Amino acid sequence: DAKTTQPTSMDCAEGRAANLPCNHSTISGNEYVYWYRQIHSQGPQYIIHGLKNNETNEMASLIITEDRKSSTLILPHATLRDTAVYYCIVRVGGGSQGNLIFGKGTKLSVKP
Amino acid sequence: DAGITQSPRHKVTETGTPVTLRCHQTENHRYMYWYRQDPGHGLRLIHYSYGVKDTDKGEVSDGYSVSRSKTEDFLLTLESATSSQTSVYFCAISESKWAGVWDEQYFGPGTRLTVT
Repeated sequence: DAKTTQPTSMDCAEGRAANLPCNHSTISGNEYVYWYRQIHSQGPQYIIHGLKNNETNEMASLIITEDRKSSTLILPHATLRDTAVYYCIVRVGGGSQGNLIFGKGTKLSVKP
Repeated sequence: DAGITQSPRHKVTETGTPVTLRCHQTENHRYMYWYRQDPGHGLRLIHYSYGVKDTDKGEVSDGYSVSRSKTEDFLLTLESATSSQTSVYFCAISESKWAGVWDEQYFGPGTRLTVT
């Protein structure tokens, strides 16, 4: 599975959009981009995933560049409860294993 | 929230003793996973299961064994606990929607294990 690069930390003002970047320049054509987050002391929480088209759900939007070498997770109106570590993961779909490889992620701090 | 519970939530044990952690799901998902999380390492896969009695090793399986006799339960056993196994253990479940695409994983609340 391809490696990802994320900033170590970011700050965002409450009510503003939080844009979290992820670099995955070695991504293969059959690898998906997944985003999870982990609020302190809790289990990771699935946010969104995509292959090449932009995706949106009730939690966030995922923007993937045309060359698929990077992506951005957008939380449109960040709240204090969005303070968490956000993980960008790329992995192959299919096969016999479903495990996710978590890196160090981005610690997002939403401030009032 | 997905119906995943882990027990116990906290445990302190001594080096050399056996320990079993339980993951229970009410979602009837096919796949179950055990991860450990340590500072500086993120989450690492220990073992996973793709069906009743079907299990396989993950990245850090040494010193751990697993069993899955029912769809809803996945047990992680430390045969002889060591201090290096002090960690937070997370269980996860998933159900692939269709061939070639993996469904998202849902995680339990975690078990904090301390081996003294």
